[in-house]
Amino acid sequence: QLQLQESGPGLVKPSETLSLTCTVSGDSFSSNSYYWGWIRQPPGKGLEWIGSIYYGGSTYYNPSLKSRVTISVDTSKTQFSLKLNSVTAADSAVYYCARQGVTTWGEANWFDPWGQGTLVTVSS
Amino acid sequence: QSALTQPASVSGSPGQSITISCTGTSSDVGGYNYVSWYQQHPGKAPKLMIYDVSDRPSGVSNRFSGSKSGNTASLTISGLQAEDEADYYCSSYTSSTTLVVFGGGTKLTVL
Repeated sequence: QLQLQESGPGLVKPSETLSLTCTVSGDSFSSNSYYWGWIRQPPGKGLEWIGSIYYGGSTYYNPSLKSRVTISVDTSKTQFSLKLNSVTAADSAVYYCARQGVTTWGEANWFDPWGQGTLVTVSS
Repeated sequence: QSALTQPASVSGSPGQSITISCTGTSSDVGGYNYVSWYQQHPGKAPKLMIYDVSDRPSGVSNRFSGSKSGNTASLTISGLQAEDEADYYCSSYTSSTTLVVFGGGTKLTVL
């Protein structure tokens, strides 16, 4: 059964870089049928897609965050990582990683399964 | 402001049916059959309930069903149960540069 687990610091100072890693266990990490994505949820608010990566390294970012986001993959460790720089309090959120389905024509689709999420607070 | 519009809340009594709407545009919901729905209980990660408008993942109750008409997708839950009380989010592929959009979420209360 596929499982995803986020890890990283729970507290980041303003203007610094938020770094999280998602470790994937089970099948499908190197499958060309999936992307691997990051989604965040500020406390009490809705979901926001941050970006996704293909195991081969192609990346897709939410334009609203693109200038600050880098997603990378380490296939040897079956991990993918998120870096968000120049963080502010508005970046405080629960960050989720998830497997993302890809359509026959390469369009981004559903997210399943999700990791349990990790709360990141931006504060000095 | 979310790209997809959902009602903030809906409610129903046990055994009843409810429908949650998700309205987008021809660039997302109306243009593609890539709408998905997620259930989120407090403090838990979202769970995929419906994908590709109306398909159910293995293990999801057949009380959950999805449909679409024009730019509006809908999630229907029949035979409401107390355990269905949760937040529900829709999502869609979009041909805009955003690629993936979510709705603002709907809180379902089982009375």
